[in-house]
Amino acid sequence: TQLLEQSPQFLSIQEGENLTVYCNSSSVFSSLQWYRQEPGEGPVLLVTVVTGGEVKKLKRLTFQFGDARKDSSLHITAAQPGDTGLYLCAGAKGKDSGNTPLVFGKGTRLSVIA
Amino acid sequence: DTGVSQNPRHKITKRGQNVTFRCDPISEHNRLYWYRQTLGQGPEFLTYFQNEAQLEKSRLLSDRFSAERPKGSFSTLEIQRTEQGDSAMYLCASSRDWTVNTGELFFGEGSRLTVL
Repeated sequence: TQLLEQSPQFLSIQEGENLTVYCNSSSVFSSLQWYRQEPGEGPVLLVTVVTGGEVKKLKRLTFQFGDARKDSSLHITAAQPGDTGLYLCAGAKGKDSGNTPLVFGKGTRLSVIA
Repeated sequence: DTGVSQNPRHKITKRGQNVTFRCDPISEHNRLYWYRQTLGQGPEFLTYFQNEAQLEKSRLLSDRFSAERPKGSFSTLEIQRTEQGDSAMYLCASSRDWTVNTGELFFGEGSRLTVL
C-alpha cells in the first residue's frame, strides 16, 4: 500500500498551459515537501509546508497543504520546457517529524513541450 | 561545500558479486539517509544515521545489505551477493538538526547499480 498517492502519474502539456498535480494520503503528516528530480540526478527540494491550509508560492509554482494535513497540491502557471521533470511529494510523520524518515510518493512525470 | 557527494556514479556488476557505495554528506549535517529508487518509483527508505549511530533500518534492507558511518562523517552501503533485483539508483541524503523538524533532505546525485 502506497502511503502517498500522486496523480496524475504522467502529464504531457504544451508550453504556456497551466497544470495541477496532487498528493493524497489517508495519513496525517507533520510536514510535507515537494521535490523535483531530473533524469540521472537526485531529487532537489522545492518547498516545505507545515501548517494545514498553508499556501506557498515559488515564482510560477503554487503549493498548498490541505487543512487536515493529509494532502497537497502543486499548481504550475504558464508551464515552460524547463519545468519538465519528476515531481515528488514526501511526508514526515509523528509528533517530532525529525525522528521519522521521509516517505515519498511515486511521483508525477511532467513533460512540457515547446 | 559542494553538497552531498556519492561515488561511484555508476556500477555494473555480475550477479553474486559484492559492491560498495560511498556517500559524503554536507559537512555540518549530522543526519545521513540511504534511499533506493527503481524506475517509475519514488525513493524508498533504507536506513539512516544520526552521527555514527544507525537509528532505523527498513524491512527492505535484507541481511545482504549493510551500512556504516564509522566516524559520523561519510557513510558506506555494501551489498553482498548481489541479485538482479538489486539493480536501482541508490540515493544518499543528509540533513541538519535545525531543519530536522520539517524533514528537509539534501540529496546526492545517486549511484546507479546494474546487476547482470
